[in-house]
Amino acid sequence: GQNIDQPTEMTATEGAIVQINCTYQTSGFNGLFWYQQHAGEAPTFLSYNVLDGLEEKGRFSSFLSRSKGYSYLLLKELQMKDSASYLCAVLDSNYQLIWGAGTKLIIKP
Amino acid sequence: DVKVTQSSRYLVKRTGEKVFLECVQDMDHENMFWYRQDPGLGLRLIYFSYDVKMKEKGDIPEGYSVSREKKERFSLILESASTNQTSMYLCASTLKVGTFSEQYFGPGTRLTVT
Repeated sequence: GQNIDQPTEMTATEGAIVQINCTYQTSGFNGLFWYQQHAGEAPTFLSYNVLDGLEEKGRFSSFLSRSKGYSYLLLKELQMKDSASYLCAVLDSNYQLIWGAGTKLIIKP
Repeated sequence: DVKVTQSSRYLVKRTGEKVFLECVQDMDHENMFWYRQDPGLGLRLIYFSYDVKMKEKGDIPEGYSVSREKKERFSLILESASTNQTSMYLCASTLKVGTFSEQYFGPGTRLTVT
């Protein structure tokens, strides 16, 4: 079966750095997405990786290793507004998105 | 600016009622999706549509049907609502499937069936 694993919840301190991991086992691979979802709101797109390596976008970076079935989202200089759930999703061989359950990130002052 | 709207943010219905959830996108996207989101389970695909009048079952289509009569509008129908359909329902659209194309989501409808 297809499976995506992420930690359920993480806690970090304002101003610090946090890394949210995602491992996947899917039927084929056509890219990996990260979305941010604030409580009660819709998910919004953060990043897309299809090749191995690190993609940096401001305070957020996303890394992919296809051979390991592994990705992480790195958030730097954490702000209180970064408190949200972070969803990992993989585009499989049929171009269907397989979603992880999400990681709830709690930022403390 | 990209926009996906859903007909209601909150809805309370009784068991056995027929429920209509509507989604409209203004981006001329070909593909539209209906998901439900439950704690600890992530997003689960109910139905999707690649074109007008076309529909495909997702992972959990039982108890649901859809309608896409116009490109911009995708409706989700609960024929006879049950308490296990209490959930957050999210509509999404994307330009085309097959290449990088992020999904744009509506604000969601939180449905409670009593």
